[in-house]
Amino acid sequence: DGGITQSPKYLFRKEGQNVTLSCEQNLNHDAMYWYRQDPGQGLRLIYYSQIVNDFQKGDIAEGYSVSREKKESFPLTVTSAQKNPTAFYLCASRRAGGITHEQYFGPGTRLTVT
Amino acid sequence: ELKVEQNPLFLSMQEGKNYTIYCNYSTTSDRLYWYRQDPGKSLESLFVLLSNGAVKQEGRLMASLDTKARLSTLHITAAVHDLSATYFCAVEVGDYKLSFGAGTTVTVRA
Repeated sequence: DGGITQSPKYLFRKEGQNVTLSCEQNLNHDAMYWYRQDPGQGLRLIYYSQIVNDFQKGDIAEGYSVSREKKESFPLTVTSAQKNPTAFYLCASRRAGGITHEQYFGPGTRLTVT
Repeated sequence: ELKVEQNPLFLSMQEGKNYTIYCNYSTTSDRLYWYRQDPGKSLESLFVLLSNGAVKQEGRLMASLDTKARLSTLHITAAVHDLSATYFCAVEVGDYKLSFGAGTTVTVRA
């Protein structure tokens, strides 16, 4: 069964701690994305990667870091520099080429920092 | 800076009636996507609109795209309770990135 997995589903951390969110896909997609969603708002792009070992900042990259060492994995680290990290984090992937450029989303990780 | 505006942001629907959600965007784009999100869940793709005049239909939902007016609509026919969710439009911008609207939260009442 192909898809995108994110773990954990819920994550609780104390302020000042770094935390890493996992995103894995077995769709053989080239591009992967991280979005943040706050209550009552749309999604905002944090980072994206079109190919392995390359990634670009999105609209709200400050306080976050990523790596793309493998095609199927795109972990996101929320650092202590992120001022308001509590949010719902969604990972997505996209097949290169094709007509639609459609992004497929994982189930999300809800991060709470106190 | 690209702006994607959805309206209304909240929509209370009566079962059996028809409604429309509007998505306006501020810059040129040939691709627009509609997603559905149930509370606490991820996004589910509904429609991909690839060109001016594109119309897609699935069940009670129909989406259209007017790239000249920079407007997409999501029309709901004869609303039913199962359609209660938040609906997002997203516009494709450079580098295959998506810029999302704020979402329209739909509640269908009997």
